[in-house]
Amino acid sequence: NAGVTQTPKFQVLKTGQSMTLQCAQDMNHEYMSWYRQDPGMGLRLIHYSVGAGITDQGEVPNGYNVSRSTTEDFPLRLLSAAPSQTSVYFCASGPRGSYEQYFGPGTRLTVT
Amino acid sequence: AQSVTQLGSHVSVSEGALVLLRCNYSSSVPPYLFWYVQYPNQGLQLLLKYTTGATLVKGINGFEAEFKKSETSFHLTKPSAHMSDAAEYFCAVLHGGSQGNLIFGKGTKLSVKP
Repeated sequence: NAGVTQTPKFQVLKTGQSMTLQCAQDMNHEYMSWYRQDPGMGLRLIHYSVGAGITDQGEVPNGYNVSRSTTEDFPLRLLSAAPSQTSVYFCASGPRGSYEQYFGPGTRLTVT
Repeated sequence: AQSVTQLGSHVSVSEGALVLLRCNYSSSVPPYLFWYVQYPNQGLQLLLKYTTGATLVKGINGFEAEFKKSETSFHLTKPSAHMSDAAEYFCAVLHGGSQGNLIFGKGTKLSVKP
């Protein structure tokens, strides 16, 4: 199993541009989540999904959209990038009932 | 609402010394608690979790944590630090009963001196 994969690893955007961060898992996990990590802030939840077709907002959802059309994929869309969205983004997945989350390697995004 | 506070953003110990990383939580319902470790430029890896049952939880790499309801604490310990334990450690609590929704502390960076 590849586990949780994220692409790209690095990205630089200009203010106002849009893009999609990709996340995929091959473990048939029901739960998937997106977090952002900023220095001194820990990780903060952006959006999460409890299964295909079901998503919900986390602590910091503004400026981001998600959808979950399949169990495997959970893309994160930045609608109009802002410098405040410069961060490291982590995707995670977990099987129902274990309460564990498996994290991807992260995407480092810089918005200029 | 749930929250987590990690005391000490940086902790330094000597190799072979006791590791103690502090975590206090706030929760209006019985908490589900977790410790994750992050090595440089990597994602997070689960060290251990407390859901129900035994309050002393053993995890990977010789770490353990004890859930103390009276103190609202879930401190992480390891009897003898190894150089490879140098990393950042995050305490987290499940939020709203939803498995995909974790509230993280701000992290504690552990340094191990030879």
